[in-house]
Amino acid sequence: GAGVSQSPSNKVTEKGKDVELRCDPISGHTALYWYRQSLGQGLEFLIYFQGNSAPDKSGLPSDRFSAERTGGSVSTLTIQRTQQEDSAVYLCASSPRPGTSGYEQYFGPGTRLTVT
Amino acid sequence: DAKTTQPNSMESNEEEPVHLPCNHSTISGTDYIHWYRQLPSQGPEYVIHGLTSNVNNRMASLAIAEDRKSSTLILHRATLRDAAVYYCILDTSGTYKYIFGTGTRLKVLA
Repeated sequence: GAGVSQSPSNKVTEKGKDVELRCDPISGHTALYWYRQSLGQGLEFLIYFQGNSAPDKSGLPSDRFSAERTGGSVSTLTIQRTQQEDSAVYLCASSPRPGTSGYEQYFGPGTRLTVT
Repeated sequence: DAKTTQPNSMESNEEEPVHLPCNHSTISGTDYIHWYRQLPSQGPEYVIHGLTSNVNNRMASLAIAEDRKSSTLILHRATLRDAAVYYCILDTSGTYKYIFGTGTRLKVLA
């Protein structure tokens, strides 16, 4: 079956512009996560969605970052007024069982964001 | 936050076994140990996980120390395709937020 997909694969934007990154999780997966990976670094947790519950936004670095998940499926990560330090690969993952240990997360290929 | 410590890099010859160590001295009794790997220009992919007992799957084996303060990912016969960054992560029940370190970059020599 299809895995997690993300679009666009690459995005170049000018400083100050807004960007939207999209994630399509695996069908039937109730949990969805966003991570950020800066060059040469490990992954940094951003936000977590589970069903109709309020998302855990504790990892969002500033109020310029927001995310939505519509209909329990597709998610959009929005970055407003982009800054050069926002340049990174943004990764989305989904999981069939939320908040339960021992269940793996399935990652998408990521969106490489470059802010010029 | 649960943390792990891994060597920055390791090398292996093709078709030889590879043992990737991970220290997690602050692990709690309900923390699962997960391993993921990230191939160049790809998202991380699941490799294996365990709680207390050693685990085997088609990709690798996971050996967990008796005190659970360390573990070792074992690739039985390294191939060039196994060259990746390997992450050891503690999955704390109910928190779902993986904390990724910088992992171990494995280089496989032909």
